[in-house]
Amino acid sequence: GQQVMQIPQYQHVQEGEDFTTYCNSSTTLSNIQWYKQRPGGHPVFLIQLVKSGEVKKQKRLTFQFGEAKKNSSLHITATQTTDVGTYFCAGLGGTSYGKLTFGQGTILTVHP
Amino acid sequence: EPEVTQTPSHQVTQMGQEVILRCVPISNHLYFYWYRQILGQKVEFLVSFYNNEISEKSEIFDDQFSVERPDGSNFTLKIRSTKLEDSAMYFCASKRGRTSHQETQYFGPGTRLLVL
Repeated sequence: GQQVMQIPQYQHVQEGEDFTTYCNSSTTLSNIQWYKQRPGGHPVFLIQLVKSGEVKKQKRLTFQFGEAKKNSSLHITATQTTDVGTYFCAGLGGTSYGKLTFGQGTILTVHP
Repeated sequence: EPEVTQTPSHQVTQMGQEVILRCVPISNHLYFYWYRQILGQKVEFLVSFYNNEISEKSEIFDDQFSVERPDGSNFTLKIRSTKLEDSAMYFCASKRGRTSHQETQYFGPGTRLLVL
């Protein structure tokens, strides 16, 4: 079945440093979604990428979808302590009723 | 802003007991999901539900699990005879449709299930 791998598992940064997490799918995706989960919280939708090579920005966050629609990345510029949490990518296959296959997540800690 | 709600927030049960987890999806959404997250692990798909029937389920969703939409608002997950390994956070999610702008799944706050 479809597998989504995400690296790194953990990332510790100093406030102001940049952060990137990478996601790879074993199969071509119809779209990829990114979620943020705060400790003890639930996944909160950040963004959806649909088109091959798509790049979207949300303030300090930049999301990319690979040309082959099998990989994606999330880059945060100049991290802040409010960025802490686990960032998950979730792939949507083309033939399902919306089943999301989540990556393992990257736990981001930001030291002030 | 509309949101998905879940009750209870926490449930403690004895092994072998039945539990029912409840969800109220966003009112104009048509697709409903249950996911679970074992502590410290990734979110795993359990089941999707559309048009009053299961549309897809994972290998985790065995005969001990069932889902129901008993009325126009509630969506429930029943675990018939709980096992220790069912301890996890269970998330309900819903989405509006299948066109690209309707694909966003909105997650509820979760029910933390502990099986003793």
